[in-house]
Amino acid sequence: AAGVIQSPRHLIKEKRETATLKCYPIPRHDTVYWYQQGPGQDPQFLISFYEKMQSDKGSIPDRFSAQQFSDYHSELNMSSLELGDSALYFCASSLRTASVNSPLHFGNGTRLTVT
Amino acid sequence: DQQVKQNSPSLSVQEGRISILNCDYTNSMFDYFLWYKKYPAEGPTFLISISSIKDKNEDGRFTVFLNKSAKHLSLHIVPSQPGDSAVYFCAVRGGADGLTFGKGTHLIIQP
Repeated sequence: AAGVIQSPRHLIKEKRETATLKCYPIPRHDTVYWYQQGPGQDPQFLISFYEKMQSDKGSIPDRFSAQQFSDYHSELNMSSLELGDSALYFCASSLRTASVNSPLHFGNGTRLTVT
Repeated sequence: DQQVKQNSPSLSVQEGRISILNCDYTNSMFDYFLWYKKYPAEGPTFLISISSIKDKNEDGRFTVFLNKSAKHLSLHIVPSQPGDSAVYFCAVRGGADGLTFGKGTHLIIQP
């Protein structure tokens, strides 16, 4: 079965550069979530979108923005990168219209390294 | 302050025996609880969930127990298999979109 696709798998950027991470949800899933997992940490919720509208916001820095497009894919844009932004970034999707408690399905993540 | 606590960073269990992973939470408003399994270089994989109106949910070798009065959640895996070796995250949802995760327990199944 199709899973959540994230690209790129690895990304190396320098401080103060920008980065764009892409996420393609499971077909027909209407909700996308972004998580950040630092080394040795648990995944931290950043932001979510339902039907192309932002639906919830977590600990996302102001330097980051995200959107969900008409085909339901999502992009996380990160500017003025800092060393502390180095982490695994996971995207997850779910079908909210099926159940408010439908589980999230995660992609394999993008590993961002800021040097 | 950690709202979801997995107090055992690692757990070692012999193959064939029962693995019990524990999770404590602080907010009685949480209404949906999930367990995820994570292998290195992969995203978390959904395992099993339970809503606050239940106290047990079973799926094959996996059973999740919820003790609301104690704000405690546990995952039982029986019998444990080598492929179960992974990091297990407890996650909760409390009305908002984002899941709150615990720090994970690294389960090691020994042959």
